[in-house]
Amino acid sequence: DVKVTQSSRYLVKRTGEKVFLECVQDMDHENMFWYRQDPGLGLRLIYFSYDVKMKEKGDIPEGYSVSREKKERFSLILESASTNQTSMYLCASSPSTAVAKNIQYFGAGTRLSVL
Amino acid sequence: QKEVEQNSGPLSVPEGAIASLNCTYSDRVSQSFFWYRQYSGKSPELIMSIYSNGDKEDGRFTAQLNKASQYVSLLIRDSQPSDSATYLCAVNPFYQGAQKLVFGQGTRLTINP
Repeated sequence: DVKVTQSSRYLVKRTGEKVFLECVQDMDHENMFWYRQDPGLGLRLIYFSYDVKMKEKGDIPEGYSVSREKKERFSLILESASTNQTSMYLCASSPSTAVAKNIQYFGAGTRLSVL
Repeated sequence: QKEVEQNSGPLSVPEGAIASLNCTYSDRVSQSFFWYRQYSGKSPELIMSIYSNGDKEDGRFTAQLNKASQYVSLLIRDSQPSDSATYLCAVNPFYQGAQKLVFGQGTRLTINP
């Protein structure tokens, strides 16, 4: 089974703090994603990575950055956390194979509260 | 027009009946289509993928794709209370490239015993 592991289920941080959300996948997937999910707004893509050290902005990258130094690990960084970044953060990964293309597998999610 | 639209519900179905969930999408040349189930407080899990027109069955689940009309649906036969969840439709629009998905806002389904 594909396993996508997010380092924390719940986080509480203060406004202005630098926050790191970590995601690790064990299936050698090329693609990794960070989403946030908010009531009424659905799943929104923050950043996407299709290879080590490669990244693309998603729909809402402002206030976030990402790092992918190793294929299995994709980190989301909130440079200076703000209260409007309180949300559920979901990491996903997908292979770049013709057979299983585009299927994304999700981690359990991190519920971040910024006070 | 939203890229992927779903009726947010809630959709209420009696136990044992067929639940029908619908999704429309705007990009005519979309390539891949998915249904994810998300229980409250949990992350989405894939239940069906479909890539070509027609029906695809997996157990009690049937996905239907009609590219000409730009809709994809999910039927759940013999609905069980454990099917109560939010169902997310996801589409891979051609313009987004091979990897990205666009998600609908989800339909909340409740199965009443």
